Amino acid sequence: KQEVTQIPAALSVPEGENLVLNCSFTDSAIYNLQWFRQDPGKGLTSLLLIQSSQREQTSGRLNASLDKSSGRSTLYIAASQPGDSATYLCAAQNTGGFKTIFGAGTRLFVKA
Amino acid sequence: NAGVTQTPKFQVLKTGQSMTLQCAQDMNHEYMSWYRQDPGMGLRLIHYSVGAGITDQGEVPNGYNVSRSTTEDFPLRLLSAAPSQTSVYFCASSYRGLDEKLFFGSGTQLSVL
Repeated sequence: KQEVTQIPAALSVPEGENLVLNCSFTDSAIYNLQWFRQDPGKGLTSLLLIQSSQREQTSGRLNASLDKSSGRSTLYIAASQPGDSATYLCAAQNTGGFKTIFGAGTRLFVKA
Repeated sequence: NAGVTQTPKFQVLKTGQSMTLQCAQDMNHEYMSWYRQDPGMGLRLIHYSVGAGITDQGEVPNGYNVSRSTTEDFPLRLLSAAPSQTSVYFCASSYRGLDEKLFFGSGTQLSVL
């Protein structure tokens, strides 16, 4: 059974800092690993999707990497801004089905 | 630009009552799904559908029913609400469900007293 874990649960950094959010998964038989952003009281917005054949994806100041062999993915945020404050969730879609399994998220606070 | 629309946004029920959470998408997506989000537990899949007339169970299906009569709509029914079903419910969709970004609605906050 796939389990997705995100550490730390919460993170507070000063504005301008580069930071890394971690995601680990137990079953490497995945179609993809997806990173989402969730603002308080809102739905989730997909940021990046890394397919199993890819190693990384980039969008603006965001870079996500995937290492299936070690069961890990990281989301790198460059030059953090207060507007980046949100909860970031990762999710793995297993092969052989349509189920996407989520981690509990990392709550990020960027201080001005 | 509606995307995925969920109604209602808030709902309070008494134990034993039934209700239907509505989800509609206008992107011609075949795949639709329901998740619940509880503090510290992330999102858990309740049911999903890969097209009209096709549904399947997720991780936590007990106490919930779904049907998919059209491509656009995927309602979630609580047959007899219990306090354990107090949660935030999200509907999500994608074109065919495999290897694609998921699009989420804004959620329904449900309290069962």
